[in-house]
Amino acid sequence: AQSVTQLDSQVPVFEEAPVELRCNYSSSVSVYLFWYVQYPNQGLQLLLKYLSGSTLVKGINGFEAEFNKSQTSFHLRKPSVHISDTAEYFCAVSSRSNDYKLSFGAGTTVTVRA
Amino acid sequence: DAGVIQSPRHEVTEMGQEVTLRCKPISGHNSLFWYRQTMMRGLELLIYFNNNVPIDDSGMPEDRFSAKMPNASFSTLKIQPSEPRDSAVYFCASSLLAGTDTQYFGPGTRLTVL
Repeated sequence: AQSVTQLDSQVPVFEEAPVELRCNYSSSVSVYLFWYVQYPNQGLQLLLKYLSGSTLVKGINGFEAEFNKSQTSFHLRKPSVHISDTAEYFCAVSSRSNDYKLSFGAGTTVTVRA
Repeated sequence: DAGVIQSPRHEVTEMGQEVTLRCKPISGHNSLFWYRQTMMRGLELLIYFNNNVPIDDSGMPEDRFSAKMPNASFSTLKIQPSEPRDSAVYFCASSLLAGTDTQYFGPGTRLTVL
């Protein structure tokens, strides 16, 4: 089985500053990795996903993530955040055998301040 | 497209009552997922349908929970009888294809069982 650990439960950040959200996964098999965002009172929206190929993945809204197999990590970054990036961010993993089955981390709440 | 539609958005009921949550997936999508989100357990996959057929119901907590998908445009999640520990936000998601195709989430139903 796969699992995900999001290392920070809350990340406060000032507007226009960079942000990094950390995600580590554990699995005995090859995995697929995802980042989702949840704005207040809304459903989740996919930011980006890693399936194969280049380890640097670019997503929507200026976010990117890097898959590091040796460190079993998939950290999310944005070089300059906006107030509108205030949301909860979830890292998720699925295995090649059950590729539809997402296991989510506990989430990281990002609060962007002016 | 209107996206995934869920109803009701909020439901307050008393312990022992039957609760029915409804979901209309995005037109043309072949896969449908029901998730539950709680503070204690985070986001959990309850059941997965592909082409209206339940493929994986291993996340359904107990016999009080049942889900149906009578056609490609409608699904229900029923809890009978409901208990206070069922209080959560229930999300429906759909994807065009099975596997790692992007899952589009509805806005969720916030269920409170008194």
